[in-house]
Amino acid sequence: NAGVTQTPKFRILKIGQSMTLQCAQDMNHNYMYWYRQDPGMGLKLIYYSVGAGITDKGEVPNGYNVSRSTTEDFPLRLELAAPSQTSVYFCASKAGGPTDTQYFGPGTRLTVL
Amino acid sequence: GDSVTQMEGPVTLSEEAFLTINCTYTATGYPSLFWYVQYPGEGLQLLLKATKADDKGSNKGFEATYRKETTSFHLEKGSVQVSDSAVYFCALNNFNKFYFGSGTKLNVKP
Repeated sequence: NAGVTQTPKFRILKIGQSMTLQCAQDMNHNYMYWYRQDPGMGLKLIYYSVGAGITDKGEVPNGYNVSRSTTEDFPLRLELAAPSQTSVYFCASKAGGPTDTQYFGPGTRLTVL
Repeated sequence: GDSVTQMEGPVTLSEEAFLTINCTYTATGYPSLFWYVQYPGEGLQLLLKATKADDKGSNKGFEATYRKETTSFHLEKGSVQVSDSAVYFCALNNFNKFYFGSGTKLNVKP
């Protein structure tokens, strides 16, 4: 099992550019999540999904979009990058039970200049 | 809404010292509680969890007890090692949404 994988590991964007952060999991988990972690801060939930075709907003969804066409993949789209989106982005997944553990990917470090 | 508050760091200890990192939460219903650890440049890893009141989670010498009466889930370890240096996050899961504290950085000196 590769677990949760994310690509790319690092990316520098110019203001106004767009990009997609990729996330995949091979554990057949129903739930998938996107977080951002700003320096010295905890994780803030951007979007989450409870299964293929179903997504919902978290605490900080503005400036992002997601889709979930398969169980395995949960890409995060930034349409018009802004310096405020400079952060480390983590994808996570978990099975369906209410007490199940989240498993995290290694993160994508994004800088917007 | 649901939230987690944990003590600010950094916490600096000498090897073999006793560790406590405080965590309190606000939540409706009956959340599950977690401690995650993050090493530099890596994602979060589960350290331990507790799923109901009075449960004690434990792993690698770390322990935390789910106290519903005080809405707390404090992390403890009797004797820290240099290899325990990391950032520790308290989190809760309520209705499959996770809320994280701001993290506490632990530095252990030899």
